[in-house]
Amino acid sequence: EAEVAQSPRYKITEKSQAVAFWCDPISGHATLYWYRQILGQGPELLVQFQDESVVDDSQLPKDRFSAERLKGVDSTLKIQPAELGDSAMYLCASSRQRTGASGNTIYFGEGSWLTVV
Amino acid sequence: GENVEQHPSTLSVQEGDSAVIKCTYSDSASNYFPWYKQELGKGPQLIIDIRSNVGEKKDQRIAVTLNKTAKHFSLHITETQPEDSAVYFCAAPSPDTGRRALTFGSGTRLQVQP
Repeated sequence: EAEVAQSPRYKITEKSQAVAFWCDPISGHATLYWYRQILGQGPELLVQFQDESVVDDSQLPKDRFSAERLKGVDSTLKIQPAELGDSAMYLCASSRQRTGASGNTIYFGEGSWLTVV
Repeated sequence: GENVEQHPSTLSVQEGDSAVIKCTYSDSASNYFPWYKQELGKGPQLIIDIRSNVGEKKDQRIAVTLNKTAKHFSLHITETQPEDSAVYFCAAPSPDTGRRALTFGSGTRLQVQP
């Protein structure tokens, strides 16, 4: 069964440093999401791509976070500079249809755990 | 935007008993309601979903019911087993994103006592 691949699985970084996460969605999936999950809470959307275009980044802290999906396949989420409050799990997800969540299954990767010290 | 509320936050049952988790949503136009199971250190995994044209859906020991009038949906797990222990999340499409992304509830930690 195809999966959403993420790396690294775990990352410890010092505050003010840069960190990047990579995601490879399920092959053929047009929509890609980055969610952040703080321990004990539900995932919260950071950014959504349809193919290579950003369709929603209203919750992305753009002063320090950036995301790209240059060729409409894999994606990178970057944080610079990292802050203590960024410690969380960063989840990548994808869905086949361009309509996204409207009745279409969204599949999640295993996540990337970030600890900022 | 969509507001999804989930109850209870924790649930402890004996093996073999049933477990019920309830969610309410605010956007009357929402048409898709998935449930995810998240085990420790892993990403959420879809276990069942329901679309707004049906009121109930079953898959072996798991069922989901939907009441569109009241804007709530529930997850039912029968004959619970220790491996059902995990955090469960309900979700609904977020109108702020053109219903392309999901808004999640706060999660229910289910513990099945052997």
